[in-house]
Amino acid sequence: EADIYQTPRYLVIGTGKKITLECSQTMGHDKMYWYQQDPGMELHLIHYSYGVNSTEKGDLSSESTVSRIRTEHFPLTLESARPSHTSQYLCASTLGLPYQETQYFGPGTRLLVL
Amino acid sequence: AQSVTQPDIHITVSEGASLELRCNYSYGATPYLFWYVQSPGQGLQLLLKYFSGDTLVQGIKGFEAEFKRSQSSFNLRKPSVHWSDAAEYFCAVVDLTSGTYKYIFGTGTRLKVLA
Repeated sequence: EADIYQTPRYLVIGTGKKITLECSQTMGHDKMYWYQQDPGMELHLIHYSYGVNSTEKGDLSSESTVSRIRTEHFPLTLESARPSHTSQYLCASTLGLPYQETQYFGPGTRLLVL
Repeated sequence: AQSVTQPDIHITVSEGASLELRCNYSYGATPYLFWYVQSPGQGLQLLLKYFSGDTLVQGIKGFEAEFKRSQSSFNLRKPSVHWSDAAEYFCAVVDLTSGTYKYIFGTGTRLKVLA
């Protein structure tokens, strides 16, 4: 069982609000990732981090931002939520060593912006 | 560019029947390959992975997958499907060429199990 947590699990919020989606892992993993997934669709990488103070944008352009101040914590922030941000957001982490590239996923945050 | 193709968007099987989900990849070197399962509203759970060695890989929940380099395939199989196997299945490959170790996911196959 992977020790990676996401809060909140569900969030309904109005347009223009600032939101932060939390992701934490207790496995000491260096690499962490954020994916966006629409219902029944594939995963799109929006942000990733190789360690503390490292953040990179993923393949899908996103208006969100991330930070990595502590190894175990990788929050995602939307400064002004819009209906187009409605989606499921999945956080993942990996140890990042050869032959140990297995990504472990959190349960996801389902976001609805009204 | 590396890519992963899951040609079947939906598959329906009867409970107790055998299952094969297809996955083809495009990758120059020896790939790291994965199968994940996602139940509705949940994150992804690792079923099995292939890094090297024996090309037939055993996973959890009775699943197995076979790596075939000549066919660039990594198909997932189960001899007898249970109703609880109904879910979305994703094949993925790790991109090692750019040094980013990013995952490339297929579009997923949704499995429906008939009682």
